[in-house]
Amino acid sequence: KQEVTQIPAALSVPEGENLVLNCSFTDSAIYNLQWFRQDPGKGLTSLLLIQSSQREQTSGRLNASLDKSSGRSTLYIAASQPGDSATYLCAVRSNDYKLSFGAGTTVTVRA
Amino acid sequence: DAGVIQSPRHEVTEMGQEVTLRCKPISGHNSLFWYRQTMMRGLELLIYFNNNVPIDDSGMPEDRFSAKMPNASFSTLKIQPSEPRDSAVYFCASSLGGYEQFFGPGTRLTVL
Repeated sequence: KQEVTQIPAALSVPEGENLVLNCSFTDSAIYNLQWFRQDPGKGLTSLLLIQSSQREQTSGRLNASLDKSSGRSTLYIAASQPGDSATYLCAVRSNDYKLSFGAGTTVTVRA
Repeated sequence: DAGVIQSPRHEVTEMGQEVTLRCKPISGHNSLFWYRQTMMRGLELLIYFNNNVPIDDSGMPEDRFSAKMPNASFSTLKIQPSEPRDSAVYFCASSLGGYEQFFGPGTRLTVL
């Protein structure tokens, strides 16, 4: 069974600082890895998807890396803004259809 | 483009009542997922449909839960009878094949 861990559980940074969010998974036989953002009381917004053959994906200030062999992914958010405050979820798709989710990292960016 | 649409957004009901949650996936997507999110257990996959056929319902908690997908543009999740421990946020998500999953806004269910 795939286990996904996200550390830290919560993070508070001043505006402008870069954010580094970590995700680890136990089974390296993955199809892809997806990072989501969830605002309080809202649904999940897909941020980035990395296929198992890729090393990284970038979208604007967001960059996600994937090291499949070591079972790790990192989401970098450059020059954080108060609007980046949310919970960030990592989800790993195994070689079937299931997404296994981490518990998330709750980010607070202080103005 | 419309994303995944769910209704109702909020549902408050009394224990023992039947609850029906609805989902319209993104047009053209052939996979549909129902998830449940609670503080204690996080996000859990309840059931997965591919091309309108239920492929995996191993996450459905018990016989009180049932799901249908009569066509490619509509799915329902029914709880009968509902219990307080069913209180959670229920999400529907869709995807095209094995690619990116897109989530709906969720239905917040409260069973009194």
